[in-house]
Amino acid sequence: GESVGLHLPTLSVQEGDNSIINCAYSNSASDYFIWYKQESGKGPQFIIDIRSNMDKRQGQRVTVLLNKTVKHLSLQIAATQPGDSAVYFCAEKNTGTASKLTFGTGTRLQVTL
Amino acid sequence: DGGITQSPKYLFRKEGQNVTLSCEQNLNHDAMYWYRQDPGQGLRLIYYSQIVNDFQKGDIAEGYSVSREKKESFPLTVTSAQKNPTAFYLCASSLRPLGNEKLFFGSGTQLSVL
Repeated sequence: GESVGLHLPTLSVQEGDNSIINCAYSNSASDYFIWYKQESGKGPQFIIDIRSNMDKRQGQRVTVLLNKTVKHLSLQIAATQPGDSAVYFCAEKNTGTASKLTFGTGTRLQVTL
Repeated sequence: DGGITQSPKYLFRKEGQNVTLSCEQNLNHDAMYWYRQDPGQGLRLIYYSQIVNDFQKGDIAEGYSVSREKKESFPLTVTSAQKNPTAFYLCASSLRPLGNEKLFFGSGTQLSVL
């Protein structure tokens, strides 16, 4: 999940297992959500996005679930691989505003062999 | 290759000095952004530009300045008024400024104070 401060929440997962990373967003007016993956010393890479008129969207090995009732977003990674180790951020955008994404603080995913 | 290029990768600033971070994109995107990232924290928006010759303050604009004279370029100047400039700076772009679209990020510049 998300938290504030210097220490990122960490999720440790064994290689081959499924990972679930959670995100609570703050603005009920947000209509677009994105998950990014960031490896150390690099810029964030797009993983998957979802619009607020959807509950679920699937990509290659990843699924994003959106629960607008409780303002919760999750990223599921199937068959987690060592290359999935990174910090994962969710981001939200408000309806009608310029494309200013608001980012969460991130979750570190550690894949153990 | 299309993408966003940030330079330099590492930059050191002396006290009282202004430094400029470069960001160039060849994606033909209208909108460009600067974010600041501190250890263990999410990205915070410094400035953004929806079109050439226009830019808007983000959430933490104080101590920073930008220009957008060309569509491809959005340089960020960290001025001496920014008292805590040490951070990882990320430039991003998106095709349209108002649509629901993903941002493409550069590889970042790590700025440190000597």
